[in-house]
Amino acid sequence: SQKIEQNSEALNIQEGKTATLTCNYTNYSPAYLQWYRQDPGRGPVFLLLIRENEKEKRKERLKVTFDTTLKQSLFHITASQPADSATYLCALGSGGYQKVTFGIGTKLQVIP
Amino acid sequence: EAGVVQSPRYKIIEKKQPVAFWCNPISGHNTLYWYLQNLGQGPELLIRYENEEAVDDSQLPKDRFSAERLKGVDSTLKIQPAELGDSAVYLCASSSRTSGDYEQYFGPGTRLTVT
Repeated sequence: SQKIEQNSEALNIQEGKTATLTCNYTNYSPAYLQWYRQDPGRGPVFLLLIRENEKEKRKERLKVTFDTTLKQSLFHITASQPADSATYLCALGSGGYQKVTFGIGTKLQVIP
Repeated sequence: EAGVVQSPRYKIIEKKQPVAFWCNPISGHNTLYWYLQNLGQGPELLIRYENEEAVDDSQLPKDRFSAERLKGVDSTLKIQPAELGDSAVYLCASSSRTSGDYEQYFGPGTRLTVT
């Protein structure tokens, strides 16, 4: 069956360091992959999309990679700040542009 | 631009009672989604609308859940009767076909507690 894996354990890093979050998937051939940020008590907020034919995409301090051979996406936040503390969800899209499946998310805590 | 609006934000009901949630999507967004999110989990799709048509409701427990999107704008999600296991956050999201990144815009959610 299709499976999306994100590290369920919280990731704690020091302010200024680069945070790297992982999204692995099995039995899935996504056309694209999205990353969302979710703060407590709020709905997810879209950050980035990367397509299956793209290796890397950047937006300000964010960088996403997509390796369809390894079936993995890495999400990097450089020069992390305490304001980056949140849960980050990956979502895989296929079967039409609007159909996505979310992972469980990884909680990031940036320590001042 | 106003975001996705949901109401109520919180709802506490006793089991076997009915409950309804309302969603107003971003103006012009033809696609509307209802998700369920349990604590520590990602959003799980319940139903997706394209305008007035429910195009994906395979995960909607139709024995107790129902949804409608009249005139292709606002939508309501109903549970009748509610069970203890229905306690969760119900998220509404909308998106536009013209968006190249297929991003979904989420509302703040309705936190349902069934006692």
